[in-house]
Amino acid sequence: AQKVTQAQTEISVVEKEDVTLDCVYETRDTTYYLFWYKQPPSGELVFLIRRNSFDEQNEISGRYSWNFQKSTSSFNFTITASQVVDSAVYFCALSEALDNYGQNFVFGPGTRLSVLP
Amino acid sequence: DTGVSQDPRHKITKRGQNVTFRCDPISEHNRLYWYRQTLGQGPEFLTYFQNEAQLEKSRLLSDRFSAERPKGSFSTLEIQRTEQGDSAMYLCASSSNIAYEQYFGPGTRLTVT
Repeated sequence: AQKVTQAQTEISVVEKEDVTLDCVYETRDTTYYLFWYKQPPSGELVFLIRRNSFDEQNEISGRYSWNFQKSTSSFNFTITASQVVDSAVYFCALSEALDNYGQNFVFGPGTRLSVLP
Repeated sequence: DTGVSQDPRHKITKRGQNVTFRCDPISEHNRLYWYRQTLGQGPEFLTYFQNEAQLEKSRLLSDRFSAERPKGSFSTLEIQRTEQGDSAMYLCASSSNIAYEQYFGPGTRLTVT
């Protein structure tokens, strides 16, 4: 069965520090997708990135970067020069193929990031 | 382009009452998903629709839960004879046939007293 582990329950950093959120996944599928979502205090889950199992290239988007390593089943997320607005719960998710081509997400437990001014 | 909307945003009900939640997906999305999220946890999958057909249901979805998506547009999730353990945030998400990312609504927070 698919599983996503986010070992860091809570992280606190001071503004402008870099921070890395860890994600380790388990799946028997050869084709799968990984995602990161942000859930700010307002509560709405915000999609950040999708990565498919064929593409191990790292990705950078502004202050965000993602490191996907199939050899260690990890998909880590780094925020550079963190800001107070980055404070949120971050979820890593793994897509699981459903019958009839749907996609179920298996979410990790989340990492609560607090960025202090 | 409007996102996923859910109504109501908050619902307080007494144990034993029935409640119904509504989700309006992004208009061009034909896939719709329901999840439940409890405090400090990630969302847990409940059920999935492809257009109007309900194609998958989690074992989490007891007989007291029923979901519909008439005409393949909005969806409703009904909980009958609510129990205190049903207190949670109920999230709706939608996606297209092409993209795999799901876009989430703001959720309906249910409190059963």
